[in-house]
Amino acid sequence: DAGVTQSPTHLIKTRGQQVTLRCSPKSGHDTVSWYQQALGQGPQFIFQYYEEEERQRGNFPDRFSGHQFPNYSSELNVNALLLGDSALYLCASRATGTRETQYFGPGTRLLVL
Amino acid sequence: AQSVTQPDIHITVSEGASLELRCNYSYGATPYLFWYVQSPGQGLQLLLKYFSGDTLVQGIKGFEAEFKRSQSSFNLRKPSVHWSDAAEYFCAVGEAAGNKLTFGGGTRVLVKP
Repeated sequence: DAGVTQSPTHLIKTRGQQVTLRCSPKSGHDTVSWYQQALGQGPQFIFQYYEEEERQRGNFPDRFSGHQFPNYSSELNVNALLLGDSALYLCASRATGTRETQYFGPGTRLLVL
Repeated sequence: AQSVTQPDIHITVSEGASLELRCNYSYGATPYLFWYVQSPGQGLQLLLKYFSGDTLVQGIKGFEAEFKRSQSSFNLRKPSVHWSDAAEYFCAVGEAAGNKLTFGGGTRVLVKP
């Protein structure tokens, strides 16, 4: 079992650019959540996807958008990048309808210059 | 709104000594509480969780935590730390097992030989 995988591991972008991060959930999981972890801080919830729809959203601007595919994998898109978007982006997955907790992936570290 | 406070940003402990990490939460209903550990450059690993029942919960790596509703606390303990316990520890609260998590700011643990 590969667990939650994320790609790429590291990414460098310039202000104003757009970025897409990818996540494959753990086998058997159908719900994917995304978190942003700025340096020295705890993770902050961005949004959660289930059945290809956004189900919950945290306090993030519309520049942050996502998608979930029929195979349950997910993408996080960030438009018009700001320096403050530099962070570790974590994906977490779980199986809906169970009391199982979320499993986190290793994250994608994004640096915006 | 739910929130989590981890009052200690850094804790230094000698190898073999006991460790206690503090966590206070704010939540209107019965919370789902979690402790995660994050090693440098890694994702989050679940140490333990509290949903209901016995207020003293056992986790992996010899960790335990006690839920005290009257104090709105969920402190993490380990009787004897190992050098490999050096990491950052995050307390989190959720509305349910798989819903969004609200994290504290984290406590960085340094282990002295």
